[in-house]
Amino acid sequence: AQSVTQLGSHVSVSEGALVLLRCNYSSSVPPYLFWYVQYPNQGLQLLLKYTTGATLVKGINGFEAEFKKSETSFHLTKPSAHMSDAAEYFCAVSHTGANSKLTFGKGITLSVRP
Amino acid sequence: EAGVTQSPTHLIKTRGQQATLRCSPISGHTSVYWYQQALGLGLQFLLWYDEGEERNRGNFPPRFSGRQFPNYSSELNVNALELEDSALYLCASSGRQGTTEAFFGQGTRLTVV
Repeated sequence: AQSVTQLGSHVSVSEGALVLLRCNYSSSVPPYLFWYVQYPNQGLQLLLKYTTGATLVKGINGFEAEFKKSETSFHLTKPSAHMSDAAEYFCAVSHTGANSKLTFGKGITLSVRP
Repeated sequence: EAGVTQSPTHLIKTRGQQATLRCSPISGHTSVYWYQQALGLGLQFLLWYDEGEERNRGNFPPRFSGRQFPNYSSELNVNALELEDSALYLCASSGRQGTTEAFFGQGTRLTVV
């Protein structure tokens, strides 16, 4: 079984401040990990993914995440928040083969203050 | 290259009716996933189709069903609609057997009145 925990439902930062969105996962086999972003009334857009190899993953819009197996974490960061980053962010885990469905965390709403 | 397309964008139905939602995957993708995003419940996995076969099913009643056509497009049917079925239904596609990432459509907003 696989699961994702995103603590808290809302994060608020000032424009230009560091963004840190936390994600912890549970998986019985090596996971694939993803961060998706959802803007109001839209579908999900892939920000970045970890499958194998380098544990620090860079994505779109200046976001990056680091896979830490020992901590079962995949936290999302961005050095400097922009107003356009305000959205809902979902962490997800999957595997290949028979259990390839994405399992999502509950999501975190990011607000950016001027 | 066209992304995942879903139709209709919005759908309003009466309780007890049936709803049919459609999804066209990215060209070359054979896997289609359906998710329900209801207010306060997050993203719940509904169904996974690959190569025309149902591969996995989430914890939903049998009145949620679907199919995948030879061109890999997919249809989600919801019978005997209940008010609680009101949600955004998202379709995603990926390569064979779910390799790497899934790409999502814009969703169908189903409202049951």
